[in-house]
Amino acid sequence: NAGVTQTPKFQVLKTGQSMTLQCAQDMNHEYMSWYRQDPGMGLRLIHYSVGAGITDQGEVPNGYNVSRSTTEDFPLRLLSAAPSQTSVYFCASSYGAEETQYFGPGTRLLVL
Amino acid sequence: DQQVKQNSPSLSVQEGRISILNCDYTNSMFDYFLWYKKYPAEGPTFLISISSIKDKNEDGRFTVFLNKSAKHLSLHIVPSQPGDSAVYFCAASENGGSQGNLIFGKGTKLSVKP
Repeated sequence: NAGVTQTPKFQVLKTGQSMTLQCAQDMNHEYMSWYRQDPGMGLRLIHYSVGAGITDQGEVPNGYNVSRSTTEDFPLRLLSAAPSQTSVYFCASSYGAEETQYFGPGTRLLVL
Repeated sequence: DQQVKQNSPSLSVQEGRISILNCDYTNSMFDYFLWYKKYPAEGPTFLISISSIKDKNEDGRFTVFLNKSAKHLSLHIVPSQPGDSAVYFCAASENGGSQGNLIFGKGTKLSVKP
């Protein structure tokens, strides 16, 4: 049981490049979400999903796209990276919205 | 405007003593509160939570107290151990326990010295 896995661990992008941050969980959790953490800041919700085929925006969704085609995977897409998206990104999952969220180890992204 | 505030960026405590981490909130609609612990290069892990219908919840060495009138909660760790050294995040939700839209504080870095 791997829990919540995220790839890559670290990525450097140039402004304007696109990339996808991967998130997968093997716990059959319905609820998945993406957060970003900036220095000296708490985690902020980007997007979340209550089940396959359903996604919604969080507090800071601009510049990011998500989709949920399977229960296991919840990728986060940056279509045109900007330096303001330099951050550490955490994916989380839970059985339901009212259950404890389990976080992945994070992806550190640097946009030059 | 921060809805969840952790005004102490860091706290240093001697092993065996009590650690008290504080959190204030401004949104009176919040009804569920959580504490997460985070080690470097790892994701946050859930520690303890409390519903607004309670004023105390205890789990082993960890106790969370909620003062709704003051919009304040605190996490007590007794006794503190070096392994407790981590960043602690306070988080709140206004969806009756739903953790879908958690609002996090900036965190407090706890250092427990042997």
